[in-house]
Order: sequence, then structure tokens, then C-alpha cells
Amino acid sequence: ELKVEQNPLFLSMQEGKNYTIYCNYSTTSDRLYWYRQDPGKSLESLFVLLSNGAVKQEGRLMASLDTKARLSTLHITAAVHDLSATYFCAVDIGLAGGTSYGKLTFGQGTILTVHP
Amino acid sequence: GAGVSQSPSNKVTEKGKDVELRCDPISGHTALYWYRQRLGQGLEFLIYFQGNSAPDKSGLPSDRFSAERTGESVSTLTIQRTQQEDSAVYLCASSLVGLAGKNNEQFFGPGTRLTVL
Repeated sequence: ELKVEQNPLFLSMQEGKNYTIYCNYSTTSDRLYWYRQDPGKSLESLFVLLSNGAVKQEGRLMASLDTKARLSTLHITAAVHDLSATYFCAVDIGLAGGTSYGKLTFGQGTILTVHP
Repeated sequence: GAGVSQSPSNKVTEKGKDVELRCDPISGHTALYWYRQRLGQGLEFLIYFQGNSAPDKSGLPSDRFSAERTGESVSTLTIQRTQQEDSAVYLCASSLVGLAGKNNEQFFGPGTRLTVL
């Protein structure tokens, strides 16, 4: 059974600081997704990582995937208050033919609070 | 429509009543998913549809829960004889998986907040 673990689960940051959220998973996969959820809202897709070594950047957020280590990171640079939200990673184990298995397994989420 | 829509946005019901939640996926998305999110927690997978069939319904918590999809479009999640522990936000998502192959990026609806009194 695929297990996806994020850490930390709670992250309190000062504005302007850098930090990294980690997402470890237990089964071989080369397809990983990051989502953001604001309080009371639905999930918004942030990044799609579909190969070993994939790196994507959007504004102050950068995501990477290391399939050998079964690890993805979400790096926050010079945090601002608007980044306060819950961040989820999700993994798709895929099928032998390369297509999607069709189901994402989500991590527990990391609640990020950025304060002045 | 432009995105995934769900109705109702909020539902308050009495214990023991049946409820029906609706999801309209993005047009052309063959895959549809239902998740449950309890307060302050992560997403629990409930069921996955590919077209109108459900290859994986392993997450449905009991036989009080059922779901169907028709016309490779709208899906309904039905909870019979609701219990207080069913209170949660029910999220629906859709994706192009099956057409795009590898990329299973899922697009989420706004959710239905269910409260069972």
C-alpha cells in the first residue's frame, strides 16, 4: 500500500525567510503533484512533476522530484503572508504501460503560516 | 463549464436521512474522483470512475455509501442513513487520465460541506 508522508505538518515562518516542505512516498513513482488549499476553499493545482529530476518554479515556490530517493520537496523563498495555506503532495503509482493508475494518494498536508 | 462544479455547496441534514451530492466534471474529462475531508484533516479517497464504471471503490467507508456516474459526465454520491461521523467536506475532482496517459493532474470542485445533526 502506498504511503505518502509530509513533514513538517505545521510550519510557522517569518516573512522573508526560506524553508522546505518534504514529501516522502513508499512505492516507486515518477509522477507527483503539489496542491494548495486556502481555509474553507478547495484544492488548487500548483505543480505537476512527471520525471526524475523534474524541477518546476512559480514565483516564490519551487518543487522538485527525486524518484530514486522517493522524495519531493517544495521550497519557499522569501516567504510572504499570501503563501499562508495548507500544502498537499499527491502521488500516482502508475501502471506498467506508463499510463496513470487513476488514483492519487495524498499526504497529510502541511499547514503553513507566514507572519511578519 | 470552465471548472468542476458541485451542488449543493452546503447541506445540513438530520441523522438517519439520506443525502445526495452532485458533481459536474470538466467537459471531456474521463476520470472522476470523490474524496472526503474531515475538519483539519487530509483527503480520504472514496471512489474513482473511468467513464461510467468504477474500477476502484475501495475507499467507500461502508455500504451506506454509493456513487454512480452517467453519460461519462455527472456523478452523484449518495449517503444513506447518515451518521454524525459522515459530517465532512466532500470533494469531487476530474482529470484527463486515459487520454493523456501519464499525467493525472486532478482539478477539484469547491466541495459540499455536509453537516449531520
